Amino acid sequence: GEDVEQSLFLSVREGDSSVINCTYTDSSSTYLYWYKQEPGAGLQLLTYIFSNMDMKQDQRLTVLLNKKDKHLSLRIADTQTGDSAIYFCAESNAGNMLTFGGGTRLMVKP
Amino acid sequence: EPEVTQTPSHQVTQMGQEVILRCVPISNHLYFYWYRQILGQKVEFLVSFYNNEISEKSEIFDDQFSVERPDGSNFTLKIRSTKLEDSAMYFCASREPMRGGYQETQYFGPGTRLLVL
Repeated sequence: GEDVEQSLFLSVREGDSSVINCTYTDSSSTYLYWYKQEPGAGLQLLTYIFSNMDMKQDQRLTVLLNKKDKHLSLRIADTQTGDSAIYFCAESNAGNMLTFGGGTRLMVKP
Repeated sequence: EPEVTQTPSHQVTQMGQEVILRCVPISNHLYFYWYRQILGQKVEFLVSFYNNEISEKSEIFDDQFSVERPDGSNFTLKIRSTKLEDSAMYFCASREPMRGGYQETQYFGPGTRLLVL
């Protein structure tokens, strides 16, 4: 079946850029998403990208999609302590169920 | 901003008991989902629901599980006879219908943490 993989952990200093990476196996993925989960909270949609796009920018967030390598990344510019959370990559195809990665825990040091 | 709500936030139950998890999707959404996240594991899809019927379900969603939209606002997940391994965070999600060929994104509730003892 489809699989989505992420690195477990990323630590950055406040003010630096964070780059969270994700790889997926489903070549028929049509949408790719980034969700944020803060401690004890639900899944907050951050941004998404349609599979015919290479890049999407939304304020401090930049999503890059390399369809050939099935690689998705989320760049957070000027990372703040409030950005500390778990970030989940997810993909969907025409079947519309989401397949999630295991999440990357981002720790931002002051 | 409209949001998906879920009740209860936490539920503790004895093995073998029935539980019902409740969700109120965003009001103009027509597609509804349940996912679960066992502690330390990935978020897993359970079931999707549209037009008063299940449209897709995973292997996890066996005969012990059922979903219902009993009225115009609630969407429920019932586990008939809970097992220890059902302990997880259960997330409800909803989305609008597709528009112009583009699938709308899923919005998630805060989750119900279920503990089966």
